[in-house]
Amino acid sequence: AIQITQSPSSVSASTGDRVTVTCRASRSVGTYLAWYQQKPGEAPKLLISGASALHSGGPLRFSGSGSGADFTLTISRLQAEDSATYYCHQYYDFPYTFGGGTRVEIK
Amino acid sequence: QVHLQESGPGLVKPSETLSLSCTVSGGSISSYYWNWIRQAPGKGLEWVGFMHIRGNNDYNPSLKSRVAISLDTSKNQFSLKLTSVTAADTAIYYCARDPVGGGVLDVWGQGTLVTVSS
Repeated sequence: AIQITQSPSSVSASTGDRVTVTCRASRSVGTYLAWYQQKPGEAPKLLISGASALHSGGPLRFSGSGSGADFTLTISRLQAEDSATYYCHQYYDFPYTFGGGTRVEIK
Repeated sequence: QVHLQESGPGLVKPSETLSLSCTVSGGSISSYYWNWIRQAPGKGLEWVGFMHIRGNNDYNPSLKSRVAISLDTSKNQFSLKLTSVTAADTAIYYCARDPVGGGVLDVWGQGTLVTVSS
């Protein structure tokens, strides 16, 4: 199975800050990578697919980049409602696998 | 707009079979690919498997010998069965849609907690 290492495991930042989360796959997944946002007590919500395509309705401050094995999720100007855990997900090969998650907290 | 709702027992005894259903509203179960994902309390996400009406399916090898996903077109539901459960199977179980079979999970149910305990 393709392993995904996500970092950092948690980050604390102020509103308006730029926040970056990274995922590294154990082998190339092309651009078959998605990002999900999960708030406490809720199901994950799709943010980005194809490494960089913002899902319908997603705030423009969220962006994704990368290909191959290294990927980045960027929140350009952190808002209070962005407090959540973010997961990357490779769907290049079965079994689908997820990163361990990054908890984003607001200072 | 497609909406998913999980249902099933919240408590299962060790060695028994976990059975959950996911009811699809706002869309046909014949049109998409249907997945189960689980999340142990306080942990990350684990993909369980998927099924399509044409019979395409795949399961996580970590569960493969114990898991089965089936579709019921008459009820517009799909189901998960996991046999011989242990405490390690305690988790929130989510059903989710993959719209085109590419792997992106664009609609999720709210999730249902299943606890394995005697």
